[in-house]
Amino acid sequence: GAGVSQTPSNKVTEKGKYVELRCDPISGHTALYWYRQSLGQGPEFLIYFQGTGAADDSGLPNDRFFAVRPEGSVSTLKIQRTERGDSAVYLCASSPRSGGPNPTNEQFFGPGTRLTVL
Amino acid sequence: GDSVTQMEGPVTLSEEAFLTINCTYTATGYPSLFWYVQYPGEGLQLLLKATKADDKGSNKGFEATYRKETTSFHLEKGSVQVSDSAVYFCALIYSGGSNYKLTFGKGTLLTVNP
Repeated sequence: GAGVSQTPSNKVTEKGKYVELRCDPISGHTALYWYRQSLGQGPEFLIYFQGTGAADDSGLPNDRFFAVRPEGSVSTLKIQRTERGDSAVYLCASSPRSGGPNPTNEQFFGPGTRLTVL
Repeated sequence: GDSVTQMEGPVTLSEEAFLTINCTYTATGYPSLFWYVQYPGEGLQLLLKATKADDKGSNKGFEATYRKETTSFHLEKGSVQVSDSAVYFCALIYSGGSNYKLTFGKGTLLTVNP
């Protein structure tokens, strides 16, 4: 079946602009995660959704970042007043459930959106 | 907090060479450990995992053993192929409350030449 998809694959914007990054999880997966991968670093956790609600948004760097998942499927990561330091690859993952290393909780990653802020 | 340290790359090997990528971790409690792989142009994929001390994860000829005494989870493969060229990430999930949050190392780029 289809994996996690993310759009756009690349986004170039100017400093101060607003951007939206979209994630389509695997159908039926209730848990959804956003990570950010800066150049030369591993992915870092941003936010986790269980269904429609953000169960943990402790990784969001500041209040310019916001994410929604209104119907418990597609999620949008929104960044206001973008800064050059926001340039990174934004990864989305989904899992059937959440919590621990059980096979049913494996996180499946999308290909990412590469955001460049000029 | 929890952290993962893995050997810096890039690593360049000839086909059929032996591979080791070192990974050590710092964590409270007893985390589960993972190796993820990212092939060019693709998303992260789970390669193998181990959930408790002395467990060995294995897949596609790769192996890693959870060593609690040395807090390590080194990735090994006896004979690499050109198709193994990718970036490899060591990661952990905490066994406590936030047991959905993957913590990754910086990644190691492996290039295998024919």
